[in-house]
This record gives sequence, C-alpha cells and structure tokens, in this order.
Amino acid sequence: GENVEQHPSTLSVQEGDSAVIKCTYSDSASNYFPWYKQELGKGPQLIIDIRSNVGEKKDQRIAVTLNKTAKHFSLHITETQPEDSAVYFCAASINNNNDMRFGAGTRLTVKP
Amino acid sequence: SQTIHQWPATLVQPVGSPLSLECTVEGTSNPNLYWYRQAAGRGLQLLFYSVGIGQISSEVPQNLSASRPQDRQFILSSKKLLLSDSGFYLCAWSRGFYGYTFGSGTRLTVV
Repeated sequence: GENVEQHPSTLSVQEGDSAVIKCTYSDSASNYFPWYKQELGKGPQLIIDIRSNVGEKKDQRIAVTLNKTAKHFSLHITETQPEDSAVYFCAASINNNNDMRFGAGTRLTVKP
Repeated sequence: SQTIHQWPATLVQPVGSPLSLECTVEGTSNPNLYWYRQAAGRGLQLLFYSVGIGQISSEVPQNLSASRPQDRQFILSSKKLLLSDSGFYLCAWSRGFYGYTFGSGTRLTVV
C-alpha cells in the first residue's frame, strides 16, 4: 500500500520568511495530493490540493509542487504570518478512494 | 453546502465504561465516511471507513467498533474503554474526486 513520509516534523520560521514542507510517496499510481492545516484543538482543514496532471498550483501565499518522477511533492508558504502556525499534513491517494494516506505532520511555528 | 457535525467536543470517561461518538453529514448523499484517531502530537490513524449503510471496513484491530445506521450517520462505539483509547477522534467524509472534509473532533480522555 501507499506510504507517505513528511519532513520536517517541526519547523520554526520568522514572520515574513518562507516555509517549505516536503513529502514523498511510494505508490506511483497515486494521483491526488491534498494538504491539510490543523489548528490546535480543531479538525484538519483542506488548504490546497494538486492532481497528477499538473506540476504546480498556487493560491495566494501557498503553493504546491509535484514531481511525479521523483514521487515527491512540497508545500510552500511565502510571507509567513503568525496565524500560519499550525500542524500541516500531506496526503496521497488514488482518485481519492478509501486509500488516502497521511504524512505524520509538520508543526510550523511562525515567530513574530 | 455540505457540513459535518461531530459530538461531543470533549469527553472524560472511566476505564471500562462504554463509548458512543456520533457524526452526521448534511448536504450530500451517499458519502464515504471515516473515523480517525490522533494521539497527542501524532499523525492521523484511520480506524474505520464506510462506503454505504451497514458497510464498515476496519483498518486496525482494536477495542472499538463502528456502525452506519443511516446514509449520513456514522457512530464509533466501545463496550469497555481502555486507557489507551484516549485521543482525539475525527470523523470525515468524502464523495467523488475531492479531498476529505473533517469534523471538529472529539477529545476523549479515559481515566
């Protein structure tokens, strides 16, 4: 089955800097890659996703890149703000079936 | 629009007591439903998923069970809680080729 690895487990940046979180996956058949943001005491919220037919997707200050050959994808947050502080999870699945596998999470801290 | 409701938000239960957590989805039909557990500071562990009424698949053997008595209702249960059942329980739904939508979670503490 699919195995998703996520790095780093913790990340601390200064406000205004960029943050990058990286994930690798094992199943070359995976074609859907969502990212979730989980604030303290809340459920994860989908913030951006990418499908295997594109290499990059942007939404304001966040972007995701996908390298299918290397089987890795990354989340990029620019101009970080304190409210970006949260735990971020990557995931991979085949057509969003019941095989979604999540990374272990990255705790991002943005220091003002 | 679709919404997912999960309750209670917090629960403190003694060891050996029963458990019932409920999750309901509004605004969609025939969703896939999921129960996840998240230990403190850890990732998401899939416990159960359901593709239809009465259809439950279990990912890991454990002290818990799940039921889907109605199309948009998913229940997580236990007959006798263990200390190790403590954690943050999340319900989620999906339909079609879109990401999962999670509920707000239930923090369960077994004492």
